[in-house]
Amino acid sequence: EVQLVESGGALVQPGGSLRLSCSASGFTFNNFALHWVRQAPGKGLEYVSAVSWSGDSTYYADSVKGRFTISRDNSKSTLYLQMNSLRPEDTAVYCCVKDHSGSYFDYWGQGTLVTVSS
Amino acid sequence: QSALTQPPSASGSPGQSVTISCTGTSSDVGGYNFVSWYQQHPGKAPKLMIYGVTKRPSGVPDRFSGSKSGNTASLTVSGLQAEDEADYYCCSYAGTNNYIFGTGTKVTVL
Repeated sequence: EVQLVESGGALVQPGGSLRLSCSASGFTFNNFALHWVRQAPGKGLEYVSAVSWSGDSTYYADSVKGRFTISRDNSKSTLYLQMNSLRPEDTAVYCCVKDHSGSYFDYWGQGTLVTVSS
Repeated sequence: QSALTQPPSASGSPGQSVTISCTGTSSDVGGYNFVSWYQQHPGKAPKLMIYGVTKRPSGVPDRFSGSKSGNTASLTVSGLQAEDEADYYCCSYAGTNNYIFGTGTKVTVL
């Protein structure tokens, strides 16, 4: 059974930093690209970032480019999202998502809540 | 890029059908056959319902079907059941590892 378990969410002040982790199991981790998708309270889904199976290729939405860094450790089956210069509009539940063939997302984690507020 | 456009709400009685539209541009929905649909119940993670415009993952009832015409994709739920009441989001590949989600549609079973 595929499992994606996020952690690291917290209350942080504007301008602060946070590192999210996603521990994966139930599939061959280093065979698949992974993504972060976020959902602000009461709002829709927003695509955030992607990393290739090897970690060599990354992608960021314009809203987080230059502030967030996605990475992965295939030896630990773990995905990361380093979030710097956080803004109130970054407040959301951040979900770790498994890619399938580069065209859709087949498994989602439950998410971890990041709240940016003073 | 702006979110794909979905109607905020849709409803139907048990046994009826409901169709949700998802309108984008030639750079996303119209440019690729990589439209997927996700169902989200309150407090739960999204669940894949349709991928590749028309394909259903194993375990998804055949009451769910997808289609596309031009820049607009659609999800149809036939034979509505109480458990179909949820939020539904479309998603399209938009090139260069970019994906765009729809604005979301709340489906109510009357």
